[in-house]
Amino acid sequence: GAGVSQTPSNKVTEKGKYVELRCDPISGHTALYWYRQSLGQGPEFLIYFQGTGAADDSGLPNDRFFAVRPEGSVSTLKIQRTERGDSAMYLCASSTGTSVLRDTQYFGPGTRLTVL
Amino acid sequence: QKEVEQDPGPLSVPEGAIVSLNCTYSNSAFQYFMWYRQYSRKGPELLMYTYSSGNKEDGRFTAQVDKSSKYISLFIRDSQPSDSATYLCAMIKAAGNKLTFGGGTRVLVKP
Repeated sequence: GAGVSQTPSNKVTEKGKYVELRCDPISGHTALYWYRQSLGQGPEFLIYFQGTGAADDSGLPNDRFFAVRPEGSVSTLKIQRTERGDSAMYLCASSTGTSVLRDTQYFGPGTRLTVL
Repeated sequence: QKEVEQDPGPLSVPEGAIVSLNCTYSNSAFQYFMWYRQYSRKGPELLMYTYSSGNKEDGRFTAQVDKSSKYISLFIRDSQPSDSATYLCAMIKAAGNKLTFGGGTRVLVKP
């Protein structure tokens, strides 16, 4: 079946611009996660949705970052007033949500964001 | 200091050799441990998942967890050039939901 998909695969923007990154989870997965991965580093947690609500947004670095999942499926990560330090790979993962501790998180291919 | 430490490598081995990877962690709240493989410009792919101290084997892969030492390992037997990738350890706290990753170790298996 289809895995997690993310669009666009690459996004180049200018400092100060607004960007939206989209994630389509595996069908039926109620849990959705966003991570950010800088070059040469491991992914870092940003936010976790269970259904439509953000259950844990403790990883969002500041109020320029916001994410939504209005219908409990597709999620959009929104970054306002982008800065060069926001350049990274943004990864989305989904899981069944039935047992958070034992669920396998399946990752998408990521969106590589470059802020010039 | 990071919660999860992992040697960045690169680790270069000849084809057929055993690849040995490890991570250390500082917080005993971590209870569930995973190893992911990540090819260049791709998302991480789960290889192994374990939650108890001891060994778990799956094909050419063996994961070890030593909670008393806060140390986890991954061994890859009969390594192949297709195993060349970055290997990430990850873990979850007992009361949590988010993965905490190590920095990843880049592995190169030479034919």
